[in-house]
Amino acid sequence: SAVISQKPSRDICQRGTSLTIQCQVDSQVTMMFWYRQQPGQSLTLIATANQGSEATYESGFVIDKFPISRPNLTFSTLTVSNMSPEDSSIYLCSVQGSRPNNYGYTFGSGTRLTVV
Amino acid sequence: SQQGEEDPQALSIQEGENATMNCSYKTSINNLQWYRQNSGRGLVHLILIRSNEREKHSGRLRVTLDTSKKSSSLLITASRAADTASYFCATVGMDSSYKLIFGSGTRLLVRP
Repeated sequence: SAVISQKPSRDICQRGTSLTIQCQVDSQVTMMFWYRQQPGQSLTLIATANQGSEATYESGFVIDKFPISRPNLTFSTLTVSNMSPEDSSIYLCSVQGSRPNNYGYTFGSGTRLTVV
Repeated sequence: SQQGEEDPQALSIQEGENATMNCSYKTSINNLQWYRQNSGRGLVHLILIRSNEREKHSGRLRVTLDTSKKSSSLLITASRAADTASYFCATVGMDSSYKLIFGSGTRLLVRP
């Protein structure tokens, strides 16, 4: 299965600023997924990032707040813009298994964001 | 949005006992997966069951799937303190999006 390197692992940011989270995969993948996990909650899908096209956002998430880049098949970034304390969460990237109907998905180790 | 609910929300058992977690989902699925998360860290994939399968085993894990009831269960036998974690079910739908949508999760505490 793929190995994902996600960074930063954690950060404390001032409100009103932006943070860019990076995910590097050790193999080429078509789709990358970005999730948010609010404190004590489950994972919520933010968007699907495909190389060469605009990201597809889920209901409740917009590009202006969470711009995503996908410059190639092994890399993606998620930016959390104009942050407020409500954005304090763990953000994770994920890729599907090499055979999506047979293997599970791989997740990055997460970015723990605290907005003060 | 979440795909569905898991119950119980929290479960506390003694080491050596079995733990059963249930998951319900809303839409037709291609497959259902279970993940474990220790203390807010990254997720670990445990097992995948396809929509045409009814039961699957992996070590001490047993998963069942009932597509008519849109529900699944995860059984961990002979639990250990190291099994203490949050457990999530997640589904992949029938469309070609391959989006993995998570349930609400169960927090399992295994007491030594």
